[in-house]
Parts: sequence; C-alpha cells; structure tokens
Amino acid sequence: QVQLHESGPRQVKPSETLSLTCTVSGGSMSSYYWSWIRQPAGKGLEWIGRIYGSGSTYYNPSLKSRVTMSIDTSKNQFSLNVSSVTAADTAIYYCARLYSSSWFIFDSWGRGTLVTVSS
Amino acid sequence: DIQMTQSPSSLSASVGDRVTITCQASQDITTFLNWYQQKPGKAPKLLIYDASDLETGVPSRFSGSGSGTDFSLTISSLQPEDIATYYCQQSDNLPLTFGGGTKVDIK
Repeated sequence: QVQLHESGPRQVKPSETLSLTCTVSGGSMSSYYWSWIRQPAGKGLEWIGRIYGSGSTYYNPSLKSRVTMSIDTSKNQFSLNVSSVTAADTAIYYCARLYSSSWFIFDSWGRGTLVTVSS
Repeated sequence: DIQMTQSPSSLSASVGDRVTITCQASQDITTFLNWYQQKPGKAPKLLIYDASDLETGVPSRFSGSGSGTDFSLTISSLQPEDIATYYCQQSDNLPLTFGGGTKVDIK
C-alpha cells in the first residue's frame, strides 16, 4: 500500500513562494501520475495539477502561471512551488497518487498539511 | 472546465435511513465520475469510481449510479461512521474538477 507524506513550511509571507514536498513510500513512482490538491478551510477541493514519473506536467489553468511541479524518483519525492502567494492560497495541501486507467482516480492521499499565507 | 454541481449541500438523516446525493456535470462525461468520502480532519478517501464501481474495502451499503450528466451516490442504511462530506469528481476532461461537497450528519 503506497503511503504519501507532505512536508514544508507551514507559514509563507505574501508575495513569496510556497514550497512543499511529498515523500512516497511503498511503491514505485515511475509509472504513475502524482498530484497536488488543495482545500481552503471549510471549503471544497481544488486540483492543482499532476506530474508523471517521467517529469511531464499538467497544471490547472486557474493556477498555471504560478505553479511548478518537479519529481525526483531516486528520492521517491515530488514537489510543488506556488509563486506570488496571497491569503487566497491559504489551504490544506494534499499530495495524492493519480491512478490512470481509462479514467483518473485519486487512489492514495497524504494526510495534508495546512499552509498559511501571512506576514 | 467541466462544472460539477452537487445537491444538497448538506443533509441530516437518522441511522438506518437511505440517503441519496446527486451530482450533475455541465456536459456529458459518460461514466467518468468518482466519489470520495472525507471525514473531519482527514484526507478524502475513494469510495466509487467509474460511476458505479465500488473501491475495494468499501462497505456494500454505498452504491453509485448514473451516466452522461446526472449521477447519484446512495447509502442504503446510514451508519454513524458515515458522518462525512462527500465529493464527486469528473475525470473525463482536464482539468479534473470536484463538486462542492455534501455534508452528511446524523439527525
């Protein structure tokens, strides 16, 4: 059973860059998509984007100009950067495995980490 | 983007009640529809994929149906451990999108 764990600063100042890392254990990263999803307090889920084991990416157009994802399969990690953050980026950030067959499903999730944008 | 609209946004029901949540897509997504359960303070958990296929280990009181634009999640006999928020998610087109969620409480 694959397990995921998010890590990174819990507080980021406005206009700076939010950086998170997801460490994957219990499975190979190479043949899967890996995703970030965020959830503002008391609100719904927003898909940020995905990265494949090869490094190819897709970003949600709503965030595309500010988001970068990377992957290091040798370390079993993938990462998220969100630049020029504002208070609207305050949320719980989840990393997840995005299983792809003829459909896409988030079949394994990290516990999530709350990131607060505040000076 | 495909918009996913869930209803109701919240509901209260008694233990043993049959509960149905609906999800409507803004365009035809055939059966590319998944359901997740999120308990308070926890990450979402996959319940149903491809509109009606039960994920391994999910109790059989959960079921999904629908195709095209209209879908539903049914809990045949509500249990106390089913208190959660339920989300639908379409995987027909990128970007992947979620419904706004339905919060289920015990009356």
